[in-house]
Amino acid sequence: DAGVIQSPRHEVTEMGQEVTLRCKPISGHDYLFWYRQTMMRGLELLIYFNNNVPIDDSGMPEDRFSAKMPNASFSTLKIQPSEPRDSAVYFCASSLMTGTMNTEAFFGQGTRLTVV
Amino acid sequence: DQQVKQNSPSLSVQEGRISILNCDYTNSMFDYFLWYKKYPAEGPTFLISISSIKDKNEDGRFTVFLNKSAKHLSLHIVPSQPGDSAVYFCAASGPNTDKLIFGTGTRLQVFP
Repeated sequence: DAGVIQSPRHEVTEMGQEVTLRCKPISGHDYLFWYRQTMMRGLELLIYFNNNVPIDDSGMPEDRFSAKMPNASFSTLKIQPSEPRDSAVYFCASSLMTGTMNTEAFFGQGTRLTVV
Repeated sequence: DQQVKQNSPSLSVQEGRISILNCDYTNSMFDYFLWYKKYPAEGPTFLISISSIKDKNEDGRFTVFLNKSAKHLSLHIVPSQPGDSAVYFCAASGPNTDKLIFGTGTRLQVFP
């Protein structure tokens, strides 16, 4: 498996524009996580899915953020409208539940978002 | 409210010496802890984990210690190598949740 694949790797957009980040999890993994990395807060969980269903979106900062997982192999994180303070590296990760233990999450390479 | 804290943003260690990275948590319900390593322009990669039923887990040069009463864990790397230079994140999860809560990271630099 190629691992978790995120696109694009870099995104530069103007304030007010819509931004869509994409993620393909590892095949067979039943959990998908979206994280945002900032200097102040480290890796901050935004939302996670189990079997394509959103379980916890309490980390989504505002209504401008939304995430979908239409099938087991694809997820999107959308910001509309984008603001300069959204600039960060966004990571997608996937993992597999075995028994009662959630195994370690595998991360994609991230999308570096810059909103100017 | 930061449930997982890494109070040292950076650490510099000489090659061959021991590196000790610390992590504190506030939620006593956490029962599984992990360390991730992150190189620039890459995603974090899993390094080592420990369950709350243990107080130590070792994997080669890497050992994680857990002190539940103090809500503290640490990662020991010995001997440290220049290739260990990276940002290290600790993470925790609990029995009633499947999500991993990460700390803010510690940047380790191992110099020759």
